[in-house]
Amino acid sequence: DQQVKQNSPSLSVQEGRISILNCDYTNSMFDYFLWYKKYPAEGPTFLISISSIKDKNEDGRFTVFLNKSAKHLSLHIVPSQPGDSAVYFCAASVGYKLSFGAGTTVTVRA
Amino acid sequence: EAQVTQNPRYLITVTGKKLTVTCSQNMNHEYMSWYRQDPGLGLRQIYYSMNVEVTDKGDVPEGYKVSRKEKRNFPLILESPSPNQTSLYFCASSLGAREDTEAFFGQGTRLTVV
Repeated sequence: DQQVKQNSPSLSVQEGRISILNCDYTNSMFDYFLWYKKYPAEGPTFLISISSIKDKNEDGRFTVFLNKSAKHLSLHIVPSQPGDSAVYFCAASVGYKLSFGAGTTVTVRA
Repeated sequence: EAQVTQNPRYLITVTGKKLTVTCSQNMNHEYMSWYRQDPGLGLRQIYYSMNVEVTDKGDVPEGYKVSRKEKRNFPLILESPSPNQTSLYFCASSLGAREDTEAFFGQGTRLTVV
């Protein structure tokens, strides 16, 4: 039973516009949330994280929002660039265990 | 260069033939873990290790073994591989014992069991 869900398998966005990726979770014990980015034939790379005590964290073009009451987080990428085309994984941790969503494939159109 | 190295990158094997996928990190990280990636399921944690000689099961440990005799190495062992273990495997390491710190991933090992 997946505790972290990314319900949109794919997202297509025009270059320069905003990309919004969504993630839902079921385990209220999760205390950290992370986003990873993955290119084909490579391992995932860390993008941004947020503690459960915060509701927003920003790093350059990337902002993660956390809504604990809704058990929902989102990743905003503004502006989207061609190099952002990749698979994005949402992840959540409790203790020493890390759970990932199924991923969302983002395609940035020129 | 800080990195996590997995070997081999690709492996085709037959059912029941024991195999080991090696993982090594050069960042002196305490925490290491193994994941498998399957379509529609994302990354699922197989085993993790908080430090030398300390390991624990993740979400999908059945059919796998691990060992952590040295800090830098964390091999994944399939004693009797089966076709349902055909998958893309990733090793990861991170500085802290808690998973709120950034994890560095290897490039992956694509395993096919026939």
